[in-house]
Amino acid sequence: DAGVIQSPRHEVTEMGQEVTLRCKPISGHDYLFWYRQTMMRGLELLIYFNNNVPIDDSGMPEDRFSAKMPNASFSTLKIQPSEPRDSAVYFCASTTNIAKNIQYFGAGTRLSVL
Amino acid sequence: GENVEQHPSTLSVQEGDSAVIKCTYSDSASNYFPWYKQELGKRPQLIIDIRSNVGEKKDQRIAVTLNKTAKHFSLHITETQPEDSAVYFCAARINAGGTSYGKLTFGQGTILTVHP
Repeated sequence: DAGVIQSPRHEVTEMGQEVTLRCKPISGHDYLFWYRQTMMRGLELLIYFNNNVPIDDSGMPEDRFSAKMPNASFSTLKIQPSEPRDSAVYFCASTTNIAKNIQYFGAGTRLSVL
Repeated sequence: GENVEQHPSTLSVQEGDSAVIKCTYSDSASNYFPWYKQELGKRPQLIIDIRSNVGEKKDQRIAVTLNKTAKHFSLHITETQPEDSAVYFCAARINAGGTSYGKLTFGQGTILTVHP
C-alpha cells in the first residue's frame, strides 16, 4: 500500500485565493483526519470523518475552512479566501478503528499564503 | 477536552547519552498514549505507544513509562545516535463517549538534537 497520499506537496498562493488540499486515505481505512501544524500551535486536529461523514469539526478555525469526503478514497480541505496566517503544513491521516489503531500520516502539504 | 503538556521544548544531548521527554495530560478518560517522531520535512511516524493497563513498554533503545495516578508519561531514549535527532510528539487519546472520543491530542513537541 502506498500509504496516505496528499497533494499537492507544496502550495504557494496569494492572499484571497482559494486553496484546495487533497487526501487519499489508506484503502480500507474508514477514519480520516485533517491536521494543521505550525510552530506556534503544534499539531492541531481540524476535522475528522468516519465512513465519509464529518464527526467532529470543532477544530476548524473559521468559516473560511471547509472539508468534504465525497467517497471512501478521497477528501478535500478548502480554504476560501486564504490569508497569510493560514500558512502551515496540513497533514491528512487515516486509521481503521479510531479507538484501537494508530493513525498513519500523509506526507503533508506545505501551504504558503503570501 | 484533553490538554497535553510536553517538556522540554528543546533537548540537546551528546551521542551515547540518554534523552527523556515528559508529558502530562488532563483527562483521566485518556487511555492510549502514542509517541510520534517527525524528521525535518517529513511526516509524523509512530515509534512507540502505551495503553493505560500497562506501566512500561520497551522497544530496543526506546521505552515509555506511564503513571496514571499522576497523569504523566515519558519517553526514554538510551544510547542516542545522531539519527535520533528529530521532533518528538506525545499524544493522548480518550476512549470514552462524547465528541472527544478517539481524538488524538498532541503535545507541543520536543526538538531533540544528538551531537556526534
